[in-house]
Amino acid sequence: GENVEQHPSTLSVQEGDSAVIKCTYSDSASNYFPWYKQELGKGPQLIIDIRSNVGEKKDQRIAVTLNKTAKHFSLHITETQPEDSAVYFCAPRGTGTALIFGKGTTLSVSS
Amino acid sequence: KAGVTQTPRYLIKTRGQQVTLSCSPISGHRSVSWYQQTPGQGLQFLFEYFSETQRNKGNFPGRFSGRQFSNSRSEMNVSTLELGDSALYLCASSLERVNTGELFFGEGSRLTVL
Repeated sequence: GENVEQHPSTLSVQEGDSAVIKCTYSDSASNYFPWYKQELGKGPQLIIDIRSNVGEKKDQRIAVTLNKTAKHFSLHITETQPEDSAVYFCAPRGTGTALIFGKGTTLSVSS
Repeated sequence: KAGVTQTPRYLIKTRGQQVTLSCSPISGHRSVSWYQQTPGQGLQFLFEYFSETQRNKGNFPGRFSGRQFSNSRSEMNVSTLELGDSALYLCASSLERVNTGELFFGEGSRLTVL
């Protein structure tokens, strides 16, 4: 079946540092690649997404890069701030019948 | 524009009971999907409803069921509750099918089974 792996599972950085989270998927038909952020006590919220015809997308301090050949995409957060502390999920979307999320990455930004 | 609303937010049940959770999607959204979130298994897809029909289903036993009404509101039901059903149940709505774009999540219903 489809497989989604997300690394690392936890990430601790100092405020101002960069953070990178990688998501690897197995479904070669995947064509939509979102990242969600979940803060404590809330539901996940889309922070950035990319479609398969684009290699990179940036929105202020966050960016997503896609390598379809290697079947992975990454979330990049620059100049991290304490409010970036949350759990981040990838959820590559293909034509399959089930949605599969990565296991999540807990990002801690200390000031 | 109102977001996705889930009720109740918290509930406690005992083994063997059944529970019904409700989800009101964003106005105009036709798809509602449900997820179980636990510390061990993460976010797992339960099912998707679109235009009152179940379109996709995750790998959960038949004790988990759902439905969608003509106004797109959805309910999910878990019968014969087990301790392992304790989890945060999230619903998400989207304009079209779940595999096409952004999901908007509610804040979840936290179920504790004793």
